Amino acid sequence: DVKVTQSSRYLVKRTGEKVFLECVQDMDHENMFWYRQDPGLGLRLIYFSYDVKMKEKGDIPEGYSVSREKKERFSLILESASTNQTSMYLCASRSDRRVTGYTFGSGTRLTVV
Amino acid sequence: AQRVTQPEKLLSVFKGAPVELKCNYSYSGSPELFWYVQYSRQRLQLLLRHISRESIKGFTADLNKGETSFHLKKPFAQEEDSAMYYCALSRSPGGSYIPTFGRGTSLIVHP
Repeated sequence: DVKVTQSSRYLVKRTGEKVFLECVQDMDHENMFWYRQDPGLGLRLIYFSYDVKMKEKGDIPEGYSVSREKKERFSLILESASTNQTSMYLCASRSDRRVTGYTFGSGTRLTVV
Repeated sequence: AQRVTQPEKLLSVFKGAPVELKCNYSYSGSPELFWYVQYSRQRLQLLLRHISRESIKGFTADLNKGETSFHLKKPFAQEEDSAMYYCALSRSPGGSYIPTFGRGTSLIVHP
């Protein structure tokens, strides 16, 4: 079974902390994405990557950065966490061949206090 | 810019009733469209792609380019269909395949 794995299901961090959210996929997908999911707002794209060391801003990149040093791993970094970054964060991946849709991880519920 | 609109935040029906979840999109090229479903406490799962023209769990969706719509339909709703449904659009070949999601429709099927 293909997998996108997000390292933490729940995280609680303090305001101002640097936070790392990790995502690993085992499908050799070129494209990886980070979304945040908020009630009434749906999924909003933060960053995406179409290759190792490549990254592109999505719709709401402010306050976030990403890292893709290996094909299978895509990390989301909150440089200085703030309470308005409390959210569910979803990672997704897809192959360039587009044989299937986007595969999602189970999400990380981040609470910033 | 591409945009996906799901006009209903909430759709409430009784078991056995027909269901239609609406999705309209705006995109000048040839879109690739999806429906995703998220059951309570589970990850988003692909339900349908317009390319495959499958019927999954009794759901179907037809791309109407004239009306720029991709509505999701099921003739007889079941309680286990209660979930959050998201319509998504991805650019056609030549683009960077960035998926844009609608805000979602919560479907509640009452017994």
